[in-house]
Amino acid sequence: HSVLAQPPSASGTPGQRITISCSGSTSNIGSNYVYWYQQLPGMAPKILIYQNNQRPSGVPDRFSGSKSGTSASLAISGLRSEDEADYYCVAWDDTLNGGIFGGGTKLTVL
Amino acid sequence: EVQLLESGGGLVQPGGSLRLSCAASAFTFSTYAMSWVRQAPGKGLEWVSGISRSGDTTFYADSVEGRFTISRDNSKNTVFLQMNSLRAEDTATYYCAKCEVGTVDICLRFDYWGQGTLATVSS
Repeated sequence: HSVLAQPPSASGTPGQRITISCSGSTSNIGSNYVYWYQQLPGMAPKILIYQNNQRPSGVPDRFSGSKSGTSASLAISGLRSEDEADYYCVAWDDTLNGGIFGGGTKLTVL
Repeated sequence: EVQLLESGGGLVQPGGSLRLSCAASAFTFSTYAMSWVRQAPGKGLEWVSGISRSGDTTFYADSVEGRFTISRDNSKNTVFLQMNSLRAEDTATYYCAKCEVGTVDICLRFDYWGQGTLATVSS
């Protein structure tokens, strides 16, 4: 299945700031909102960012999202051990007329 | 508290069928679009299908179009996924997910997820 492009892995040390990229096309990221989910091991996903850069209540402001053209990014500042998880971007695709997830990025906190 | 309880997973042979159910509680079910998202063992998330609040409009991933059918019964607070002509690559944990906002029918903003039900397609 088609996916948005994410790096398979990322890493950082406690306190550091990292970014995870998500690359798409004009039919998805370029024309629709991007959402970001965090999935802890063995758990269901949890929404971190909606509508490109909005945080649901309860999500720490260490998490932020941005979008430019056909790419989006998730930034995590003040990295903590509990941030170790898989992170996914997702957007609606107008050509496919359906949702399309990124392949996921496994974040390791060293 | 909002709960989504999936059921119906299991082992099925290639070419067979399964019907997944997701029973919802503690919210006005008919007000929210619902979706199914799957995750193959050790793999990433894949959006599978979505259904509007009324059930009149449905959406499918290309990988399941023509084989899977999503539906809902608002009187029973339940969303279904009928899966036919199953293939080995359909093996996954299937999650149902609730849209966070009640005013849209195309939704990727999910605030609640079920625990998932595992469908295994193998001979």
